[in-house]
Amino acid sequence: QITLKESGPTLVKPTQTLTLTCTFSGFSLSSSGVGVGWIRQPPGKALEWLALIYWDDDKLYSPSLKSRLTITKDTSKNQVVLSMTNMDPVDTATYYCGHKAPYCSGASCYSYWGQGTLVTVSS
Amino acid sequence: QTVVTQEPSLTVSPGGTVTLTCASSTGAVTSTYYANWFQQKPGQAPRALIYSTYNKHSWTPARFSGSLLGGKAALTLSGAQPEDEAEYYCLLYYGTVVFGGGTKLTVL
Repeated sequence: QITLKESGPTLVKPTQTLTLTCTFSGFSLSSSGVGVGWIRQPPGKALEWLALIYWDDDKLYSPSLKSRLTITKDTSKNQVVLSMTNMDPVDTATYYCGHKAPYCSGASCYSYWGQGTLVTVSS
Repeated sequence: QTVVTQEPSLTVSPGGTVTLTCASSTGAVTSTYYANWFQQKPGQAPRALIYSTYNKHSWTPARFSGSLLGGKAALTLSGAQPEDEAEYYCLLYYGTVVFGGGTKLTVL
């Protein structure tokens, strides 16, 4: 059974750096074709893809946010960490992590999702 | 910047059939865009329905199907159920990933 859970601060101040952790179980991030991605959703708005890290440590970032994002993994802890610098109120959103299944092509397939964590950016 | 466009809202009658589409600002959507479809109900995380244009996950109800239609990716729901009322998002892969703006599907 695959599960993912996001954790991190619920409130950050403008200009601060947000660090979120995705802790997962039921799969290994060292298995070929597997990845973990981050997706966010501002309140009442659409999903926005942020980043993905593959089993081989290859990384993909949203072009529009690439300068602010860093994604890393700790395979031994079954964790993926996303950092986003220079937070702004427009970054207020629910942040989800998702399991990229090995049977899917590209960075496209998020078969399992965490419950999400709401991050509010406010002074 | 690439934009992925979905119908903002659609309505289907219970037992009816509806097709949601997903268009790319770059032109026709092909199988190389690996279109995905997700269902999201209020207060819940998205649930994956379709991957790589046509393929269903093991949990995807048989009434959902994915295809390419008129240069767009499409999600067809045949025999709509009240529980299918939700927001539906498509995703296209361009070497990076872009979500559509979502379609609010009402079953009424």
